[in-house]
Amino acid sequence: DTEVTQTPKHLVMGMTNKKSLKCEQHMGHRAMYWYKQKAKKPPELMFVYSYEKLSINESVPSRFSPECPNSSLLNLHLHALQPEDSALYLCASSQSSGPTGEQFFGPGTRLTVL
Amino acid sequence: ILNVEQSPQSLHVQEGDSTNFTCSFPSSNFYALHWYRWETAKSPEALFVMTLNGDEKKKGRISATLNTKEGYSYLYIKGSQPEDSATYLCAFWNYGQNFVFGPGTRLSVLP
Repeated sequence: DTEVTQTPKHLVMGMTNKKSLKCEQHMGHRAMYWYKQKAKKPPELMFVYSYEKLSINESVPSRFSPECPNSSLLNLHLHALQPEDSALYLCASSQSSGPTGEQFFGPGTRLTVL
Repeated sequence: ILNVEQSPQSLHVQEGDSTNFTCSFPSSNFYALHWYRWETAKSPEALFVMTLNGDEKKKGRISATLNTKEGYSYLYIKGSQPEDSATYLCAFWNYGQNFVFGPGTRLSVLP
């Protein structure tokens, strides 16, 4: 299995809602990543988990809360989001953490905040 | 803020043409340079990860070179095919654990 899966594909939420995005890989990769991608812009790194521990947090607002329950699963918990948080959220994984790890991306979750 | 630039922004070529584009990045604290290909409605796909100055990598008709001293990488596509149409992104890692994508080059190959 060489896929990174993400659920849901689409999510619409209000500013007072709490929701979660899920990412899963079964390639035995030890690093997992969350990215935010706005239209016509490149992906922006949000968080990196290495061996289930948070290793990079790119000064992301606390309304985004990542969680890595095990080496195959990565969640992004969302609470009190703003309309400007609407974007495509991409998850990726790599066998090795750090700069030399080739990343495998999921298809993304398209988030709309009303 | 790290500045990673790509040129051209977009490119239209005829099937069979060879083409190349550029990624420019800060030359200090360089650690690695990634190239990804992103087709519409699909996930980004890794092409190359390059770390050594002067390195050259090849995958089929696509190849890349790296110059870490002057801060640039070239991606070459030989004999472009319509299925090569995609956005090509480079991404730069430095020793400060910063990972930044360039804005991409959108390639359209016309049959």
